[in-house]
Amino acid sequence: GAGVSQSPSNKVTEKGKDVELRCDPISGHTALYWYRQSLGQGLEFLIYFQGNSAPDKSGLPSDRFSAERTGGSVSTLTIQRTQQEDSAVYLCASSLVRDTEAFFGQGTRLTVV
Amino acid sequence: QQPVQSPQAVILREGEDAVINCSSSKALYSVHWYRQKHGEAPVFLMILLKGGEQKGHEKISASFNEKKQQSSLYLTASQLSYSGTYFCGTERIQGAQKLVFGQGTRLTINP
Repeated sequence: GAGVSQSPSNKVTEKGKDVELRCDPISGHTALYWYRQSLGQGLEFLIYFQGNSAPDKSGLPSDRFSAERTGGSVSTLTIQRTQQEDSAVYLCASSLVRDTEAFFGQGTRLTVV
Repeated sequence: QQPVQSPQAVILREGEDAVINCSSSKALYSVHWYRQKHGEAPVFLMILLKGGEQKGHEKISASFNEKKQQSSLYLTASQLSYSGTYFCGTERIQGAQKLVFGQGTRLTINP
């Protein structure tokens, strides 16, 4: 596609439910990031995929969060047993290689009620 | 480790200049600058690499002091369209090679 695509754009879920957020990066981009942005706050790093290397999961806030990237392309961020503090905009970004421009998707706004 | 940005917020009149600073305690390989407008995704402004030169983009430029692990973003003769939150992102030379962002600097330009 022309840009980074994320789905859904909005998700409202009940506390305790699991959610899956999808990111479709720009074709050919080897680097893929997930960030979380709470209202009016900065970009909190969650996880980084680079090619076939093991992902850097150091930013995941708890073991309820996991992510995978299949075939070096599409990535899914899964949050299990959602809590109200998980409410935020989840942004995905991809770049061709390290040290190049990162392109952001429009994000998924997650609301846990 | 997250870079530190200063100031946290700036309010200017159109035509005035601003400087936003970004510093890290770790040796850096690159510094990225992005601007995010309310309700939108961050948009790339420029990247500065270790050993590289100062970059420019319209009336927005940036420098990278490798010895001090600091970068500064310069906005001259600011326009209303410059309003938004500016984020610096850094990649370290050693250790974790991921793009980590500062907390952002909110820039408001008034007519």
